[in-house]
Amino acid sequence: AQSVTQLGSHVSVSEGALVLLRCNYSSSVPPYLFWYVQYPNQGLQLLLKYTTGATLVKGINGFEAEFKKSETSFHLTKPSAHMSDAAEYFCAVSQLFKAAGNKLTFGGGTRVLVKP
Amino acid sequence: DTEVTQTPKHLVMGMTNKKSLKCEQHMGHRAMYWYKQKAKKPPELMFVYSYEKLSINESVPSRFSPECPNSSLLNLHLHALQPEDSALYLCASSQSSLSGGLSTQYFGPGTRLTVL
Repeated sequence: AQSVTQLGSHVSVSEGALVLLRCNYSSSVPPYLFWYVQYPNQGLQLLLKYTTGATLVKGINGFEAEFKKSETSFHLTKPSAHMSDAAEYFCAVSQLFKAAGNKLTFGGGTRVLVKP
Repeated sequence: DTEVTQTPKHLVMGMTNKKSLKCEQHMGHRAMYWYKQKAKKPPELMFVYSYEKLSINESVPSRFSPECPNSSLLNLHLHALQPEDSALYLCASSQSSLSGGLSTQYFGPGTRLTVL
């Protein structure tokens, strides 16, 4: 079974500082990996995804993530935090069920607090 | 357009009530999902519909009854719920495919359900 572990349930960064959110996965097959962001009282918004190809993936709002197979990691970064980045971030791995759609397994989430 | 809409935004119901949550997408996706998200937790998969047929049921109690009238609509019928069922209910959709890149799930804003 596939699983995802997010290190750190809370991260506090200063505005303008680097944002680094850690995600490690466990998968017996090449994984499809996703980062989603959830603002308070809202649904999940896709930030970026890795399926195949380039291991450095760029997403929306200045975020990017690097797939490292040797480390089974998919960490999310943003060079300079903005107040609007305060939210909950979820890393997820996708498992296909033949033609039945796919099942997302989420990590526990990391809440980001941005200090002025 | 990657929009999934959900109605209502908020719902308060008693334990003897019958209510329904609605979800709609117009992206031509053939897989649709219901998730349940408790406070400060990641979403948990409840049901998957593929080509209007229920393909995955994650052992959800029968007081939750999903329905997929057509490829654009997904309902969740609620009956005799318990206070512990209070949560954010999220709908998502994706292209039903064997290709992981097309398995990206797009989420709606959710329905905040409170059971009294």
